[in-house]
Amino acid sequence: QQQVKQSPQSLIVQKGGISIINCAYENTAFDYFPWYQQFPGKGPALLIAIRPDVSEKKEGRFTISFNKSAKQFSLHIMDSQPGDSATYFCAASRSHDMRFGAGTRLTVKP
Amino acid sequence: DAGVIQSPRHEVTEMGQEVTLRCKPISGHNSLFWYRQTMMRGLELLIYFNNNVPIDDSGMPEDRFSAKMPNASFSTLKIQPSEPRDSAVYFCASSYAGTAEKLFFGSGTQLSVL
Repeated sequence: QQQVKQSPQSLIVQKGGISIINCAYENTAFDYFPWYQQFPGKGPALLIAIRPDVSEKKEGRFTISFNKSAKQFSLHIMDSQPGDSATYFCAASRSHDMRFGAGTRLTVKP
Repeated sequence: DAGVIQSPRHEVTEMGQEVTLRCKPISGHNSLFWYRQTMMRGLELLIYFNNNVPIDDSGMPEDRFSAKMPNASFSTLKIQPSEPRDSAVYFCASSYAGTAEKLFFGSGTQLSVL
């Protein structure tokens, strides 16, 4: 059972553009929503995270928008750079139980 | 800190052989996770240890898989006997939160079972 649905599967953005990745979750018991960035041959690395009592969190060029009633959250990458090209995973967790989305492969063209 | 260290980085073995994957978590972290990543199923939690004790092994696919954590600085994931469908990238991750929050992943072991 897929508890976290992520879209799009792949995304191509021009340098300087905005990248937007969306996720939806099913289990309202989840209380922590992170985004991970993964480069080829590496493990996922925590990028930014949010809790359901906050609607938005910004760290540098990365922003999470959270809609608790819709059970959706999204990652916005402002001023996208070629170095941001990677696979991004959303996730939702409660305690030790972390469920990951299927991933979005982002390509930022120079 | 060197981060989470996994070995080997790549493992190629034949069906039926025993495979042992190793992990050294970040010093001071009390929670350790083993994940498996495949194209078909994405990232899946296999087993979770807290303070060296297995807490949740519901993700372990079958009895061919076993995991141990004899001390706070070492864990193993063993597959015996291995099958081609076990081919995947296996990640170890650790955290100090006692939960899956703020996980630090290793670079993974790419396992190929022929």
